[in-house]
Amino acid sequence: KQEVTQIPAALSVPEGENLVLNCSFTDSAIYNLQWFRQDPGKGLTSLLLIQSSQREQTSGRLNASLDKSSGRSTLYIAASQPGDSATYLCAVTALLPLVFGKGTRLSVIA
Amino acid sequence: EAGVVQSPRYKIIEKKQPVAFWCNPISGHNTLYWYLQNLGQGPELLIRYENEEAVDDSQLPKDRFSAERLKGVDSTLKIQPAELGDSAVYLCASSGQYNEQFFGPGTRLTVL
Repeated sequence: KQEVTQIPAALSVPEGENLVLNCSFTDSAIYNLQWFRQDPGKGLTSLLLIQSSQREQTSGRLNASLDKSSGRSTLYIAASQPGDSATYLCAVTALLPLVFGKGTRLSVIA
Repeated sequence: EAGVVQSPRYKIIEKKQPVAFWCNPISGHNTLYWYLQNLGQGPELLIRYENEEAVDDSQLPKDRFSAERLKGVDSTLKIQPAELGDSAVYLCASSGQYNEQFFGPGTRLTVL
């Protein structure tokens, strides 16, 4: 059974810092990995999708990498801003649709 | 392009009452998902549709939950009767190319 773990569970950083969020999964036979952002009381916003054949994807200040063999993905956020404060979730698709981690709650302090 | 639409956004009911949630996916997306999200947890899949066919409903508590997707577009998720433990956020998502999923804003259900 696929399990997804996100570390840390919560993170607080000063504005302007570069930061890395970690995601690990137990079954490397995945089709893709997706990073989401969730603001309080809101739905999930898709940030980046990495297909199994890809190693990374970039969008603006966000860069996500995927290492299937080790079962890991990282989300790199450059020059963090207070507006980046949210919960970040990673999810993998394998034989079953998305299996989510519990998320990392990020607070960027001005 | 409109995103995934869900209604209602909030619902408060008493236990043992029925409740229904509605979802309109992104136009052209054949795959539709219903998820349940408890506080502090990631979403958990309840049911997945490919067009009008439910292809994965193994996590749906069928004694009280039901879903339908008529004509392969809109979908309705129903709970009857609701229990206190059903209080959660119910999320609908749809996917197209590469199985990238797009989520609606969710329905927050409170059962009293």
